[in-house]
Amino acid sequence: DTGVSQDPRHKITKRGQNVTFRCDPISEHNRLYWYRQTLGQGPEFLTYFQNEAQLEKSRLLSDRFSAERPKGSFSTLEIQRTEQGDSAMYLCASSPQSYEQYFGPGTRLTVT
Amino acid sequence: AQSVTQLDSQVPVFEEAPVELRCNYSSSVSVYLFWYVQYPNQGLQLLLKYLSGSTLVESINGFEAEFNKSQTSFHLRKPSVHISDTAEYFCAVSFTSYGKLTFGQGTILTVHP
Repeated sequence: DTGVSQDPRHKITKRGQNVTFRCDPISEHNRLYWYRQTLGQGPEFLTYFQNEAQLEKSRLLSDRFSAERPKGSFSTLEIQRTEQGDSAMYLCASSPQSYEQYFGPGTRLTVT
Repeated sequence: AQSVTQLDSQVPVFEEAPVELRCNYSSSVSVYLFWYVQYPNQGLQLLLKYLSGSTLVESINGFEAEFNKSQTSFHLRKPSVHISDTAEYFCAVSFTSYGKLTFGQGTILTVHP
């Protein structure tokens, strides 16, 4: 069990650029979640996948954000036309059809 | 609206002293409750959980939390803290059947020698 991995761990980008993050869940975990955490706050839910189906999207997920989970394994989160307000830690978690979620180390995004 | 409130943003204590980190939630439906810990420069780790059964749950490193339905609380306690317990602690609640978590704002526990 290698845990949830995320890539990259850090990303610095200029405003207006597109970025893509990857999450590899624990194998055979069919639930996958994305959260966003800003400084001094708890994580906030962004979206949820059950296998390859995206079943819920938060209102925080504007149309500049898109997430996919092809084949129900790894997931990607893309942010188009980044803004300074997108600077945050993006967390991925997976779960084996239970209520326990296992978090990855996160991707820290800085938009300059 | 469903929400989670951690009443203290920072809790400083001395080593070997007891500590309580408070968490309250607002919900009209059944909930599942969690405490996560985040050590500096590390990811979130599940500390303990309440899903059903005994309202008192314990972790392997001496923390315990009690689910109080009437007071809608899930406070975290430890009778004697160590320097290594210094971290940020998050209370999280699942109000849904598929496990989406709503987190509190976090409490930074700092243990002084």
